[in-house]
Amino acid sequence: ELKVEQNPLFLSMQEGKNYTIYCNYSTTSDRLYWYRQDPGKSLESLFVLLSNGAVKQEGRLMASLDTKARLSTLHITAAVHDLSATYFCAVDMANFGNEKLTFGTGTRLTIIP
Amino acid sequence: KAGVTQTPRYLIKTRGQQVTLSCSPISGHRSVSWYQQTPGQGLQFLFEYFSETQRNKGNFPGRFSGRQFSNSRSEMNVSTLELGDSALYLCASSDDRATAGANVLTFGAGSRLTVL
Repeated sequence: ELKVEQNPLFLSMQEGKNYTIYCNYSTTSDRLYWYRQDPGKSLESLFVLLSNGAVKQEGRLMASLDTKARLSTLHITAAVHDLSATYFCAVDMANFGNEKLTFGTGTRLTIIP
Repeated sequence: KAGVTQTPRYLIKTRGQQVTLSCSPISGHRSVSWYQQTPGQGLQFLFEYFSETQRNKGNFPGRFSGRQFSNSRSEMNVSTLELGDSALYLCASSDDRATAGANVLTFGAGSRLTVL
């Protein structure tokens, strides 16, 4: 059974600081997704990482994928309050017909002014 | 382009009742997935439909069922509700992976079910 673990579960950081959220998964996959969820809202797709070494950046967020280590990171640079949300990584199996994402536990990020 | 629409947004039921939730995917998306989100268990996969066929099913009891119509709209049903079924039920649609190259889900706002 595929397991996806994120850490930390909770992260409180000051504006302007940098930090990294880690996502480990238990089986071979080269498809990793990051989502954001604001309180009381639905999930919004942030990044799709489809190969080993993939790196995607959007604003102050950068995601990377190391399929050999089964690890993805979401790096936050110079955090601002608007980034406060819960971030989920998700993994799927790279075979057609198995359209199921397994989500991590989520990291609740709070940016303190 | 309209997003994924879920109805109802909120509902309250009592134990033993049943509930039907509806999802309209993004136009052109043929895959519809359902997820249950709870504080304790997080996001758990329920099932996925493509062209009216269930392609994948999560580890939920048979009380949870779903279907997809020819216009790709989907419904899920939960019978004999239990207190533990209280959750946010999220529907997501995606383009065919063969076309999109990845299973990028677009989620609806969710249906928040409270079972009393």
